[in-house]
Amino acid sequence: QVKLVESGGGVVQPGKSLRLSCAASGFMFRIYGMHWVRQAPGKGLEWVATVWSDGTNIHYVDSVKGRFTVSRDNSENTLYLQMNSLRAEDTAVYYCARDLDGGHYFDYWGRGALVTVSS
Amino acid sequence: DIQMTQSPSSVSASVGDRVTITCRASQDITTWLAWYQHKPGKAPKVLIYATSSLQTGVPSRFSGSGSGTHFTLTINNLQPEDFAIYYCQQANSFPLTFGGGTKVEMK
Repeated sequence: QVKLVESGGGVVQPGKSLRLSCAASGFMFRIYGMHWVRQAPGKGLEWVATVWSDGTNIHYVDSVKGRFTVSRDNSENTLYLQMNSLRAEDTAVYYCARDLDGGHYFDYWGRGALVTVSS
Repeated sequence: DIQMTQSPSSVSASVGDRVTITCRASQDITTWLAWYQHKPGKAPKVLIYATSSLQTGVPSRFSGSGSGTHFTLTINNLQPEDFAIYYCQQANSFPLTFGGGTKVEMK
């Protein structure tokens, strides 16, 4: 069955970096677009980034452009989110999610990784 | 950016009720809309995509309709497991955006 497992979350000081990983299994990872979506405490869902199957088509929400980098290793079935220059407002649970049939919807989600940016 | 506005922000309902949630887009998104259910501590779950297509495994008491800028999610015969927060999401263009959420609470 499809499984997505995020790791790499934790507490980090403002201005520092963190890299999230999402290990995928149970499907042909290399042919699917993948996304990162986050939820700040007490807030709703916010899309963060998308990377298409071959890794060449990438999009970001404006608030993370220039600071976050999404990438993937199709040989390792793993999605990444490199987060630099972290801010307090980046504090959230970060979910990786699989794309549904190229439609920019999210059909399978991980359980999430909590990132807390605090001094 | 396309803004998605959900209403109501919360609704109190009883088991067996029909619940309707509305989502409005700030511009025409044709039928590029999905609905998700989210329970605390769990991964969100897609219910409906492309406005009215029921995701595999989702009960038929969930249905979606609309086009352009006005969309609805209807839950017929509300069940205990349906108490959750529901989000709409537009997939017409980047940045992908969600509505603010509707909490379905027990009356």
